[in-house]
Formats: sequence, structure tokens, C-alpha cells
Amino acid sequence: NAGVMQNPRHLVRRRGQEARLRCSPMKGHSHVYWYRQLPEEGLKFMVYLQKENIIDESGMPKERFSAEFPKEGPSILRIQQVVRGDSAAYFCASSPAVDHSYGYTFGSGTRLTVV
Amino acid sequence: SQQGEEDPQALSIQEGENATMNCSYKTSINNLQWYRQNSGRGLVHLILIRSNEREKHSGRLRVTLDTSKKSSSLLITASRAADTASYFCATDPSNDYKLSFGAGTTVTVRA
Repeated sequence: NAGVMQNPRHLVRRRGQEARLRCSPMKGHSHVYWYRQLPEEGLKFMVYLQKENIIDESGMPKERFSAEFPKEGPSILRIQQVVRGDSAAYFCASSPAVDHSYGYTFGSGTRLTVV
Repeated sequence: SQQGEEDPQALSIQEGENATMNCSYKTSINNLQWYRQNSGRGLVHLILIRSNEREKHSGRLRVTLDTSKKSSSLLITASRAADTASYFCATDPSNDYKLSFGAGTTVTVRA
């Protein structure tokens, strides 16, 4: 049973390009969460999605960032026109149910570097 | 602002010694979770303690929770080189999905 799979592991983009980060949740998990970790900081919540629905995107910047979790395929975090400040590690977590009291399974993250 | 804040920021110990790190938080919580992150890797869930629990054990890990002081501690006994990692506490204010992480404690275990 593979864990949460994220790809790519590392992504380098020039300023102004688009970054697409993918997350495949654990088998049987229909809830996906994206977090961002800036250097020397803890993770910050960005967005919570269920299949075909964005439940809460309150932690996501209003511009340039978007997320989706289609009926088929992985969840995608998309950053348009990247800037240096977007350089961070982006982690995805998943859970099987609405009850969130059992801890989360995180992927290994995508490290985005904007040059 | 960060809900959980770990202390110390960094800790260096000899293999076989115990490592203790603390986490303080500001608002009431439903549960508090500890995670480990090896360098360049994702977070691994270690242990979850609910607000009505005071102490929990898992292998060499012992977690305490004092809701009156809004603090938690993680003790790793008989440390090993493989315990070298960053440890994060995460608070869950209302049993929902928005975990609030601290900046972590970096633990180095010397052989």
C-alpha cells in the first residue's frame, strides 16, 4: 500500500513560469490537504480538498495559486507566474474520513526552487 | 501566527541519552500531534494525544500534555543515531483539518 505520492520531488522554475505539483493520496483516502513549508519554519495549511470539491482554501494566496482534485487522477497544486518567494517545500497529506483525529499521512514533498 | 512553538530549537545528545523537547500553544485544542521529519523528507506521524489525555506512550516515545499550561513534551528514550531529525508539534484546535505547526526542534544524536 503505497503512501502519499508526490511528484516531482524537486522542481526548478524561472520567475514567471508555471509550477504544477501533483499529489496522489493513499488508496482509499478521499481527503487531500496541501501545506507549505518555508525554510526554517513549520508547515502552514493552504487548502483542503475532497474529490471534485474545494472545501477550504483559506490558507492559499488569493492570486496565482489554485488547486484541484478531479474525480480521476491526482490532486494538482498550480502556481502561476512564480516568484522567488514561492520557493518552499510543498507537502500533501491525505486522510480517509471526515474524522481527523487520527493523524495524517504526508508525502515526501515537492521542493520548488524559483530562480 | 504559529500555534505551536517548540523548545529548544536545537538539541544535540549522545547516543543512548534521552531527548526531551517541549511545545507550547496559545488556544484550546482538541488534540496535539507530534511528527518527525528527516532531512529532505516528508513528515511522519509519531503520536497523537487528545485533550482529555495526560500521557501517552509509543515504543521509546513518551508524550505528556498539560492543558492548564497549554504545553506538551516529547521524550525519546535511549536515543539512536536514526532519531536524528526535526520534530514538530501540531495542534488541532477543533478536530478539523487545519493543523498548526511550530518551527520544530532539530535533534542530532551523536554516535
